[in-house]
Amino acid sequence: DADVTQTPRNRITKTGKRIMLECSQTKGHDRMYWYRQDPGLGLRLIYYSFDVKDINKGEISDGYSVSRQAQAKFSLSLESAIPNQTALYFCATSDRSGTTATDTQYFGPGTRLTVL
Amino acid sequence: AQKITQTQPGMFVQEKEAVTLDCTYDTSDPSYGLFWYKQPSSGEMIFLIYQGSYDQQNATEGRYSLNFQKARKSANLVISASQLGDSAMYFCAMREIGGGGNKLTFGTGTQLKVEL
Repeated sequence: DADVTQTPRNRITKTGKRIMLECSQTKGHDRMYWYRQDPGLGLRLIYYSFDVKDINKGEISDGYSVSRQAQAKFSLSLESAIPNQTALYFCATSDRSGTTATDTQYFGPGTRLTVL
Repeated sequence: AQKITQTQPGMFVQEKEAVTLDCTYDTSDPSYGLFWYKQPSSGEMIFLIYQGSYDQQNATEGRYSLNFQKARKSANLVISASQLGDSAMYFCAMREIGGGGNKLTFGTGTQLKVEL
């Protein structure tokens, strides 16, 4: 079984609809992240959470919200989807590693979202 | 300024040959980590290799090695004995410790095609 799972894997929706993307992990990691990938732009960070009570905005948080329901679950919501939110969305996790830089992030399989 | 620059949008290599994928980075943080990820056509992000800014030796993981030249701020990925399954998009990423958080900044990627 995959360590980091994302549901749904594919979603097509209409402008103005509320959408929730879910991420679950069995790695026991404290830290979770949401990224979006657009062609030619690499991955950009939307939100991240270091534990259940700690949630932080990334570089492109406008139009998104998140919820950390438990250590293992981190959800991303689009309150009112718009076409330029069409992208591939990734959840990632990492373990707490103190002051070192060796905090490798492990990614889920991605959710392909299309907003019409 | 771009924090991570990958100047090769696409690369071709013959099967069994070695290939180098370029990555340069920009940071004033003395403590940072550099990562390479592989994204096959199926879309998932696969962690390949990590290099810490204080590591004295270049990182190696099987057929992957990282040519780390700190003074030049480059962290090139070398894939030896290329295989058809190496055809994928490759992303370089950096984590800065002093900047707070555990955020990865990604480059725009290099599409590698391995040919017979």
